[in-house]
Amino acid sequence: DIQMTQSPASLSASLGETISIECRASEDIYSNLAWYQQKSGKSPQLLIYAANRLQDGVPSRFSGSGSGTQYSLKISGMQPEDEGDYFCLQGSKFPYTFGAGTKLELK
Amino acid sequence: EVQLVESGGGLVQPGRSLKLSCAASGFTFSNYGMHWIRQAPTKGLEWVASISPSGGSTYYRDSVKGRFTISRDNAKSTLYLQMDSLRSEDTATYYCATGAYFDYWGQGVMVTVSS
Repeated sequence: DIQMTQSPASLSASLGETISIECRASEDIYSNLAWYQQKSGKSPQLLIYAANRLQDGVPSRFSGSGSGTQYSLKISGMQPEDEGDYFCLQGSKFPYTFGAGTKLELK
Repeated sequence: EVQLVESGGGLVQPGRSLKLSCAASGFTFSNYGMHWIRQAPTKGLEWVASISPSGGSTYYRDSVKGRFTISRDNAKSTLYLQMDSLRSEDTATYYCATGAYFDYWGQGVMVTVSS
């Protein structure tokens, strides 16, 4: 199975701060990588797919980058509504696997 | 507007069965692969199973293979997950999702396996 190592596990950011979350795959996943945001008690929402494509309706402060085994999600200017848990997903090979998650809080 | 509504969850004893349903609307159901993903309480996300648009291909994680069956009824725009021989470790909120990248998710349904 492909292992997804996500870091950091938690992050505290100030209003307007730019933050990054990383995911490293145990093998090449050929940009088959997505990022999700999950707010407390809600279902996950797709933010980024195919490593760097912004899902419709997602604010442009969210961006994704990476290739091969290394990927990152960047939030350019933390907003209060960005608090929540963030997960990466590799969709390259079954079984699809998620990163362990990053809890993002507003400082 | 895409809507996915899960149902069929509840409390069940170990070894028993449960069948989840996911009613879809707002898109052409028969054109899209569908998925089940679960999340144990206070834990991360875990992919469970996927099915192709026609239903001809199915995929499972090893821990549910032989116990869970994913299926779909394209005429009814409904996805199913038949869960047999349930174990305590299957306790989780189960989400259905659609699209190659799990583009849209349902609200989730809780399954608790306990005696």
